[in-house]
Amino acid sequence: EAQVTQNPRYLITVTGKKLTVTCSQNMNHEYMSWYRQDPGLGLRQIYYSMNVEVTDKGDVPEGYKVSRKEKRNFPLILESPSPNQTSLYFCASSLRAPGRAQETQYFGPGTRLLVL
Amino acid sequence: GIQVEQSPPDLILQEGANSTLRCNFSDSVNNLQWFHQNPWGQLINLFYIPSGTKQNGRLSATTVATERYSLLYISSSQTTDSGVYFCAVISMNRDDKIIFGKGTRLHILP
Repeated sequence: EAQVTQNPRYLITVTGKKLTVTCSQNMNHEYMSWYRQDPGLGLRQIYYSMNVEVTDKGDVPEGYKVSRKEKRNFPLILESPSPNQTSLYFCASSLRAPGRAQETQYFGPGTRLLVL
Repeated sequence: GIQVEQSPPDLILQEGANSTLRCNFSDSVNNLQWFHQNPWGQLINLFYIPSGTKQNGRLSATTVATERYSLLYISSSQTTDSGVYFCAVISMNRDDKIIFGKGTRLHILP
């Protein structure tokens, strides 16, 4: 089954404790991205990746890191989480960059993060 | 950067009613999509529609690119239509960054 998976689905942590949220897709997609969703703000793009070893900042990259060593995986790293990073996080993928063709974004189920 | 505004922010309707959701954008786009987020948080792509009209069952969408807006129509609403509807665009100038609107929260009453 074609899907985007994220782990963990729920996470409670404390300020400053490094964490990683994993994202994996099994569709051989080139484009992957991370979003955060906050009440009243919709979804905002954190980072995206056009392909292996190619990543770029979205609209709200501060406090986050990403890597794309393999095509299927795109982990989101919070080196020193803070309470303002409490949010619902989504990973998404598409075959190519969405603006270059009729590309559908496939979203993961979301990761709800609480930073105390 | 490109701005995306959705209206109304909230909508409460009785089951069976029709509704129109609007998405305005501030610059030319080469990609526009509508998504539905159900009450469990799952995001589902509804339409890819940078221009023209498409229909899928009770849902249809129209984008008038020259006037920089898109409309999502829901006919004969059902309670399963409840959730948040997002419009997302990609500017002609940046084909790799996706900008979402803040969404329209739709609540269908039984």
